[in-house]
Amino acid sequence: KQEVTQIPAALSVPEGENLVLNCSFTDSAIYNLQWFRQDPGKGLTSLLLIQSSQREQTSGRLNASLDKSSGRSTLYIAASQPGDSATYLCAACGATNKLIFGTGTLLAVQP
Amino acid sequence: NAGVMQNPRHLVRRRGQEARLRCSPMKGHSHVYWYRQLPEEGLKFMVYLQKENIIDESGMPKERFSAEFPKEGPSILRIQQVVRGDSAAYFCASSPQDGRMNTEAFFGQGTRLTVV
Repeated sequence: KQEVTQIPAALSVPEGENLVLNCSFTDSAIYNLQWFRQDPGKGLTSLLLIQSSQREQTSGRLNASLDKSSGRSTLYIAASQPGDSATYLCAACGATNKLIFGTGTLLAVQP
Repeated sequence: NAGVMQNPRHLVRRRGQEARLRCSPMKGHSHVYWYRQLPEEGLKFMVYLQKENIIDESGMPKERFSAEFPKEGPSILRIQQVVRGDSAAYFCASSPQDGRMNTEAFFGQGTRLTVV
């Protein structure tokens, strides 16, 4: 049974700092891993999708990496801004065709 | 191309009433997933449907909850005789899933159910 864990649960950084969010999963037989952003009281916005055959994906100031063998993914945010404040969720998709979510990292970027 | 549409956005029901949550997938998407997010918890899978077919309902509570995705119209998540513990945000996602597994899922804005 797939289990997804995110560390840290909460993170507060000053504006401009680079930061890394961590995601680990127990079953390495995944098809892809997705990172989402959720603002308070809102839905999920897809940030990056990494296929199982890929090592990383980049979009603007975001870079996500995937290491299937160790069951880990990281989301790197460069030059953080107050607008980046949100909850970041990772989710693994495997043979069951459903996303298994971590509990998220609540990020606060202080101006 | 409109995204995944869920309605209502907010729903208030008294204990014992029925709640009906609707989800219209993105155009061209034939697969729908429902997730529940309880307060202070992560998203939990409930059910995965294709048109007129339930693929995986392993996350659905055994009683009071049902889901459908008819040939025409939106997918419906139905909760009968709601209790306070059903208060949560219910999210719908859709994907094309045309035989390929490596597809991105797109989420709606959710329906926030409050049982009073």
